[in-house]
Amino acid sequence: AQSVTQLDSQVPVFEEAPVELRCNYSSSVSVYLFWYVQYPNQGLQLLLKYLSGSTLVESINGFEAEFNKSQTSFHLRKPSVHISDTAEYFCAVSEGSGGSNYKLTFGKGTLLTVNP
Amino acid sequence: GAGVSQSPSNKVTEKGKDVELRCDPISGHTALYWYRQSLGQGLEFLIYFQGNSAPDKSGLPSDRFSAERTGGSVSTLTIQRTQQEDSAVYLCASSFYLRGDEQFFGPGTRLTVL
Repeated sequence: AQSVTQLDSQVPVFEEAPVELRCNYSSSVSVYLFWYVQYPNQGLQLLLKYLSGSTLVESINGFEAEFNKSQTSFHLRKPSVHISDTAEYFCAVSEGSGGSNYKLTFGKGTLLTVNP
Repeated sequence: GAGVSQSPSNKVTEKGKDVELRCDPISGHTALYWYRQSLGQGLEFLIYFQGNSAPDKSGLPSDRFSAERTGGSVSTLTIQRTQQEDSAVYLCASSFYLRGDEQFFGPGTRLTVL
């Protein structure tokens, strides 16, 4: 069975400050890793994903995440946040092989609040 | 193009009643998923449909929950004899059937059981 731990349920930061949202997972098999974002009053959207290859993946709006296999982590970072980044962020994992690679296991989410 | 749509957006029901939640996936997506988002539990996988294959029902919390997908498109999630603990946002997602492909989520149905 897989599990995902998001260590911080809430992260308040000031605009233009750097931020890191932490995500750790446990799995007995290889994994795919995802970050989804839920803006206020909107549905879940994929932010970025790691399937294979380069362990550093980036989104179009300046977020990046690094897959660290030895630490079983997939932390999300942004060097300078904007107020529009205020949202709830969910880390998710699925099996990278085998028959259940479709099933996403989500963390409980981190609410990022960017203050002026 | 149109995204995943769900109806109703909100549903308030009395304990013991049955409810049906509907999901229209993105055209061409062969995979369809239901998740539940509730306070304290986060997002939980409920059920997965892929083409004509038998669905993966491993996430359904009890036999009061069932789902079907007609014609490989629209899906209905049915909850019988609703309980207060069923109150949650029910999310539907769809994707192409590719390893690790992005799941596109609908806006959800907020179910409140009084």
